[in-house]
Amino acid sequence: DVKVTQSSRYLVKRTGEKVFLECVQDMDHENMFWYRQDPGLGLRLIYFSYDVKMKEKGDIPEGYSVSREKKERFSLILESASTNQTSMYLCASSLVGWELFFGEGSRLTVL
Amino acid sequence: GQQLNQSPQSMFIQEGEDVSMNCTSSSIFNTWLWYKQDPGEGPVLLIALYKAGELTSNGRLTAQFGITRKDSFLNISASIPSDVGIYFCAGLHSTDKLIFGTGTRLQVFP
Repeated sequence: DVKVTQSSRYLVKRTGEKVFLECVQDMDHENMFWYRQDPGLGLRLIYFSYDVKMKEKGDIPEGYSVSREKKERFSLILESASTNQTSMYLCASSLVGWELFFGEGSRLTVL
Repeated sequence: GQQLNQSPQSMFIQEGEDVSMNCTSSSIFNTWLWYKQDPGEGPVLLIALYKAGELTSNGRLTAQFGITRKDSFLNISASIPSDVGIYFCAGLHSTDKLIFGTGTRLQVFP
């Protein structure tokens, strides 16, 4: 069965802290994605990756960076967390195209 | 612009009723996807549509890719309590961008 695992379901961080959100998939998928989900705004794409060590900016990359050192792992990094980054973060992967398989989400609160 | 209008925003129905929701846009899309998100979980793909006019079923769920390629519909027949959740449409634009609707929140009462 397809599995996308996000390392933390709930995190609470302070403004200015560095935050790492980890995502691992076990389907040997080429493509991985990071979205954030906010009420009334739907899902917005932060970054995506088509291959190891490759990354592309999505619609809202400001304040975020990513790392893909291995095919199965895609990390989202908040260099200096701010309160407007409080959100639900969803990782997804796909073999081809845009049929995304999502993880369970990481709910981040920045105080 | 590339926006998806999903309606209704929320629905409160009784178990056994049928449900209809839709997504519309002023832009043309090449693919339509429908996802369901259970509370506290990530979205799960329900149905994918690739051709204008296509009608696809998945159990009690039926979705259609509108002929104009600017809309899509999802119907749920004979709703049950586990249908509760948020349903999202997503359209793949010709620019290769996947745009998500803002979701329809479904509540089913026994």
